[in-house]
Amino acid sequence: GENVEQHPSTLSVQEGDSAVIKCTYSDSASNYFPWYKQELGKRPQLIIDIRSNVGEKKDQRIAVTLNKTAKHFSLHITETQPEDSAVYFCAANVGAGSYQLTFGKGTKLSVIP
Amino acid sequence: SAVISQKPSRDICQRGTSLTIQCQVDSQVTMMFWYRQQPGQSLTLIATANQGSEATYESGFVIDKFPISRPNLTFSTLTVSNMSPEDSSIYLCSGFTGEGYGYTFGSGTRLTVV
Repeated sequence: GENVEQHPSTLSVQEGDSAVIKCTYSDSASNYFPWYKQELGKRPQLIIDIRSNVGEKKDQRIAVTLNKTAKHFSLHITETQPEDSAVYFCAANVGAGSYQLTFGKGTKLSVIP
Repeated sequence: SAVISQKPSRDICQRGTSLTIQCQVDSQVTMMFWYRQQPGQSLTLIATANQGSEATYESGFVIDKFPISRPNLTFSTLTVSNMSPEDSSIYLCSGFTGEGYGYTFGSGTRLTVV
């Protein structure tokens, strides 16, 4: 089955700096890669996603890049703010066209004011 | 995107009893899933809830322990049966609303078994 590795497990950045979280996946047939933000005690919220026919996608301060050949994708947050502090999860679907997701272990991001 | 209401939000249960968790979606969703999340950890898929048929369980999860129902495209339940302290966790339902909208999660049920 699909295996998703996520690094780092914790990340501290100064407010205004950029944060990068990286994930690798094992199933070359995976074609959907979402990122979720989960604040303490709350449900995961989709913040951005990318499909395998796209190399990069941006939404204001958030961007995701995908390298299909290397089977890795990354989340980039620019101009970080204290409210960006949360746990971020990457995920990949289990094979092309599948609606099941396998999640990475998460990255706890702390933005220091 | 769809909004999923999940209840109860939390419960403390005696070992050996069962708890049923409900998820109601405000619109039809193609797929529904049930996850378990230990505090501070990632999400583990329990099963896919299939409308009108038996759920599809992941390795390590069985129907006798986690029976699931999905009578229509907007509602599903997960029962945690014969509970033990090891079942203490957060349980989340998720719905896939279709291309471009990703997955939406319920607010979660924090279960403590004593």
